[in-house]
Amino acid sequence: DTAVSQTPKYLVTQMGNDKSIKCEQNLGHDTMYWYKQDSKKFLKIMFSYNNKELIINETVPNRFSPKSPDKAHLNLHINSLELGDSAVYFCASSQVGDPEAPQYFGPGTRLTVL
Amino acid sequence: TQLLEQSPQFLSIQEGENLTVYCNSSSVFSSLQWYRQEPGEGPVLLVTVVTGGEVKKLKRLTFQFGDARKDSSLHITAAQPGDTGLYLCAGGRDSNYQLIWGAGTKLIIKP
Repeated sequence: DTAVSQTPKYLVTQMGNDKSIKCEQNLGHDTMYWYKQDSKKFLKIMFSYNNKELIINETVPNRFSPKSPDKAHLNLHINSLELGDSAVYFCASSQVGDPEAPQYFGPGTRLTVL
Repeated sequence: TQLLEQSPQFLSIQEGENLTVYCNSSSVFSSLQWYRQEPGEGPVLLVTVVTGGEVKKLKRLTFQFGDARKDSSLHITAAQPGDTGLYLCAGGRDSNYQLIWGAGTKLIIKP
């Protein structure tokens, strides 16, 4: 069974379009994250939700809007896509409160903006 | 500001050699995690260390957390091609909501 799943795996789109990436976890975790990994492989936190509540909102353009309909889902909507948005986006989940708790990552969504 | 510095950024060695990857910071962390990421996949946790001076072994991989909990190292003995990947360290704070990530070490083991 897939622990953290993301759709789509690949997304190719034109500048100016609006797109969404979906994420689901079946681990029963209370916290979910969105990361952006650029071409240099640096993993940058974008957002984090704990029990459907936004707790981390890094300096991210407001064109990016996360939505958490329930604890198991965290979606990312991106408006007016720009060339610089091209990257791999990872969803992750964890159970906060356990200092040894890992973050479980999805397979990533490779976004290419043309 | 990069709070966790990883070195080297890139390492390419022959199968059978030993290597060490470092993760350094001026900040104290409550825990330090090491992940490995393979192409086309998300990072996967290898180990978590939480006590200063702690050493954990995972087969040929040895992880150490510095006494002051500001740095960590990953040592691989007799590296194999299957060890190839991007190794990421991540430091946890007390709240644990957010990990501070290093920039990664890209490791290639040549047969």
